[in-house]
Amino acid sequence: SQKIEQNSEALNIQEGKTATLTCNYTNYSPAYLQWYRQDPGRGPVFLLLIRENEKEKRKERLKVTFDTTLKQSLFHITASQPADSATYLCALSGSSNTGKLIFGQGTTLQVKP
Amino acid sequence: DAGVIQSPRHEVTEMGQEVTLRCKPISGHDYLFWYRQTMMRGLELLIYFNNNVPIDDSGMPEDRFSAKMPNASFSTLKIQPSEPRDSAVYFCASSARHGTDTQYFGPGTRLTVL
Repeated sequence: SQKIEQNSEALNIQEGKTATLTCNYTNYSPAYLQWYRQDPGRGPVFLLLIRENEKEKRKERLKVTFDTTLKQSLFHITASQPADSATYLCALSGSSNTGKLIFGQGTTLQVKP
Repeated sequence: DAGVIQSPRHEVTEMGQEVTLRCKPISGHDYLFWYRQTMMRGLELLIYFNNNVPIDDSGMPEDRFSAKMPNASFSTLKIQPSEPRDSAVYFCASSARHGTDTQYFGPGTRLTVL
């Protein structure tokens, strides 16, 4: 069955360091992958999208990689700040563009000053 | 635009009662999604609509759950009868087009069934 795995344990890092979050999947051939941020008591907010034919995408301090051979996406936040503390969710599309997304459980990031 | 609007924000009810959650998507968006989020299962897609038509309801847990979208600006998710295991945060999201479009989430409804 289709499965998405994100680190269930919280990631604690020091301010200024680079945070790296992992999203692995099995039995999937997604056309694209998205990353969302969720703060406590709020709905997820879109951050980045990367397609299956793209290796890397950047937006300001954020970088996403997508390796369809390893079936893995890495999400990097450089020069992390306490304001980056949140839960980060990866979401995979189906193999066709139906609009449907399957979300991972999320990884909580804590950036300490 | 005010974004996706959900009501109520919090709902506390007793087992066996009917619960209706409401959602107003962003104007002009063609797709509407209902999700449920719990600590154990994460964010699960329940059902989604395209142009007011249900496309995929395979995530609806059982017949106690039903969803409607009578027009482009309103959708409901109903649970009847409610059970304690339905306690969760229910999110509504909308997107402009299919495929790669971003989903915009509402603030969610926190449902507690006693």
